[in-house]
Amino acid sequence: GAVVSQHPSRVICKSGTSVKIECRSLDFQATTMFWYRQFPKQSLMLMATSNEGSKATYEQGVEKDKFLINHASLTLSTLTVTSAHPEDSSFYICSASRGVGQPQHFGDGTRLSIL
Amino acid sequence: AQSVSQHNHHVILSEAASLELGCNYSYGGTVNLFWYVQYPGQHLQLLLKYFSGDPLVKGIKGFEAEFIKSKFSFNLRKPSVQWSDTAEYFCAADYGGATNKLIFGTGTLLAVQP
Repeated sequence: GAVVSQHPSRVICKSGTSVKIECRSLDFQATTMFWYRQFPKQSLMLMATSNEGSKATYEQGVEKDKFLINHASLTLSTLTVTSAHPEDSSFYICSASRGVGQPQHFGDGTRLSIL
Repeated sequence: AQSVSQHNHHVILSEAASLELGCNYSYGGTVNLFWYVQYPGQHLQLLLKYFSGDPLVKGIKGFEAEFIKSKFSFNLRKPSVQWSDTAEYFCAADYGGATNKLIFGTGTLLAVQP
């Protein structure tokens, strides 16, 4: 159990395009979902925490208007990278948790490449 | 600032060798600690976790970790590695509160040679 599906796994698009990434918990209800960004040979950096039905909480330095997060249901959260530029190219990973004190379960990640 | 350090970036071992991967966390009061593993082409999976109680935690696949509060450490160990243990290992800390946020170390890439 505790499967998290992330889609798409790979996106290549032109600069200026907006890209939406979906994160779904397939067999459990996720009170909280998290979005991370990982640069090559670096750690996962938390971008934002998303609670179902409320606004996401962004980490310091993460642009809210750039990275739009929606957590419309207990099984789905989306991250939209608006007007993406080459510097937004990265590996984006989501995770989902049943609640505080519960472990996070991770998706496979999305490789975003902006040309 | 709250942080997690993994000092071994790349470890190469032969099968049956013993493994110990270092993890240190910064002081931040109450802390929950985790080890995650990422096998090639797969997502992060939880190996083990420490919340409280016995500081020696046993996880899946024969892994264990020891929480040593005085050293701010949570090292991962396995007495005898297998080729299938080749993966990247991440230590992470949750400094408590109501957010369940994880701070990750930079990861250790383990390569086990047959």
